Amino acid sequence: KAGVTQTPRYLIKTRGQQVTLSCSPISGHRSVSWYQQTPGQGLQFLFEYFSETQRNKGNFPGRFSGRQFSNSRSEMNVSTLELGDSALYLCASTITEPGTPIYEQYFGPGTRLTVT
Amino acid sequence: AQKVTQAQTEISVVEKEDVTLDCVYETRDTTYYLFWYKQPPSGELVFLIRRNSFDEQNEISGRYSWNFQKSTSSFNFTITASQVVDSAVYFCALSPHGSGNTGKLIFGQGTTLQVKP
Repeated sequence: KAGVTQTPRYLIKTRGQQVTLSCSPISGHRSVSWYQQTPGQGLQFLFEYFSETQRNKGNFPGRFSGRQFSNSRSEMNVSTLELGDSALYLCASTITEPGTPIYEQYFGPGTRLTVT
Repeated sequence: AQKVTQAQTEISVVEKEDVTLDCVYETRDTTYYLFWYKQPPSGELVFLIRRNSFDEQNEISGRYSWNFQKSTSSFNFTITASQVVDSAVYFCALSPHGSGNTGKLIFGQGTTLQVKP
């Protein structure tokens, strides 16, 4: 099976702009989670989508949003970019579904966002 | 509070030495899952192991072994006869099993392991 793919891999944006990142999960995985990784804060959970619905959200401002499509592909959007949004954004997918045990998440290579 | 602590920020060893990476977690949930991930310089997180809170049996996979002790809330990872290719950042993560925690992994700060030839 193909792994989790993320596009683009690298992105440079200017403060105030917005950005959209894309994630394609492993085939058959319906749950997609997003994380932000920075040197100072480490790996932090952004949100999780399952069956086109956001089921869980981390402590990030409303400028961070996401969505999931019927084919389980997911996008996250950051509006009004700030310098502090520079980070590696990781997407992960899992076969975990409601009522099942929690299984491991498989991560994509990430999108490196630089805000100048 | 739900938290994962990896007290060792950086560890440096010489090839063939054994090394143990510590992980201590906090959760009030009785059902939870613990994970270890490896992040090589390429950046992609690689899954290593998953363990649920009801299974305290230690596990060995090749040169890797894991020691899970609920009494001390620890889930330590040992690499035997380390190799240069083991150099990476290792993360311990917790996922409590509850409706408010779906899809969320709580990560420790990571331990950077450097294995010198």
